[in-house]
Amino acid sequence: NAGVTQTPKFRILKIGQSMTLQCAQDMNHNYMYWYRQDPGMGLKLIYYSVGAGITDKGEVPNGYNVSRSTTEDFPLRLELAAPSQTSVYFCASSYRAGFAEKLFFGSGTQLSVL
Amino acid sequence: AQSVSQHNHHVILSEAASLELGCNYSYGGTVNLFWYVQYPGQHLQLLLKYFSGDPLVKGIKGFEAEFIKSKFSFNLRKPSVQWSDTAEYFCAVNALGGYQKVTFGTGTKLQVIP
Repeated sequence: NAGVTQTPKFRILKIGQSMTLQCAQDMNHNYMYWYRQDPGMGLKLIYYSVGAGITDKGEVPNGYNVSRSTTEDFPLRLELAAPSQTSVYFCASSYRAGFAEKLFFGSGTQLSVL
Repeated sequence: AQSVSQHNHHVILSEAASLELGCNYSYGGTVNLFWYVQYPGQHLQLLLKYFSGDPLVKGIKGFEAEFIKSKFSFNLRKPSVQWSDTAEYFCAVNALGGYQKVTFGTGTKLQVIP
């Protein structure tokens, strides 16, 4: 049981390039999330999904896109990368929404846009 | 909208010292409260959570937190820290009624000196 797996762990992009951050979970969780973590800013929700085919914006969605074609996978797409997107990205999942539902996190992707 | 404040950004303690990390939230209704920990090089993991009932919650590794509703607080405590407690600690809140939007605080970096 691998939990939540993110790839790559590190990436450097040039301004204007695009890339996809991969996230997969093997716990049959319905809910999946993408967060970004900036120093001194905590975690901000980018996008989330409540199940295959259903996604919605979080607090900071601009510059990102997501898709959820299967329960297991929830990739995050960066189009036209900008320096402001330099951050650590975390994917997370939970079985359901609701009270006291624990989030399971991946190990993160450290992205630098230069 | 819910929000979380962590007042200590960086705490340095010697081993065996007692720890208290502050967390205050703003939301008028019923909430779930969490403390997550991120050890160096690892992903975030749940330390403890409050759902209902006894306001004193015990978590892993000897940590505990007390929910004081009148003060909108959920402070994390440990009577005697160890070097292995060096990590970043995040308080989080999940308010009743919304989708599972977990709002995180900005984090507190704890450094324990042997």
